[in-house]
Amino acid sequence: GQNIDQPTEMTATEGAIVQINCTYQTSGFNGLFWYQQHAGEAPTFLSYNVLDGLEEKGRFSSFLSRSKGYSYLLLKELQMKDSASYLCAADFMDSNYQLIWGAGTKLIIKP
Amino acid sequence: DGGITQSPKYLFRKEGQNVTLSCEQNLNHDAMYWYRQDPGQGLRLIYYSQIVNDFQKGDIAEGYSVSREKKESFPLTVTSAQKNPTAFYLCATRGPPSYEQYFGPGTRLTVT
Repeated sequence: GQNIDQPTEMTATEGAIVQINCTYQTSGFNGLFWYQQHAGEAPTFLSYNVLDGLEEKGRFSSFLSRSKGYSYLLLKELQMKDSASYLCAADFMDSNYQLIWGAGTKLIIKP
Repeated sequence: DGGITQSPKYLFRKEGQNVTLSCEQNLNHDAMYWYRQDPGQGLRLIYYSQIVNDFQKGDIAEGYSVSREKKESFPLTVTSAQKNPTAFYLCATRGPPSYEQYFGPGTRLTVT
């Protein structure tokens, strides 16, 4: 089956930059989603990468390397409200319209 | 306003009782999903449906049942056979134009 790996927890300082990595198996890969989930709430969509390269959306950017099976989410100018879990999810050709989810990375922002 | 509604937000039940969680959408999406999330954990797929009157088991379907009689509705029943039903349940849809998954607000079920 397909495995999605991301770190369990990361800590960063307010105002700094943090990079959250996600790796996946490349066979049959279509695209990679990033979601943000605050405690007790539903996930909200951040980005979707299909092509190699960096896509920037304000303070958040997402990168994909299809050949390496690797993506990262880059958060700049961190704010306390960025404390949340960040979930990556991959879309595969044989996954029957499901997304395969990583376990999420809990990001803790310190003042 | 297009979206997904789940009700209620909090639900309390006694052990041994079946309980049905509702999920309604007006996004006109064909695909609908039910996930379970335990504290500090990721999303685990219970059931999904790609079209009306059809649905498939996900990774943790035991103790759950679903129906898909209408495109807009995908209710989940947590049966008494589910050993540890206390969890956060999320309903999602997927469809054009962007094909991301859209989530409802979730139902937090507590069984004592």
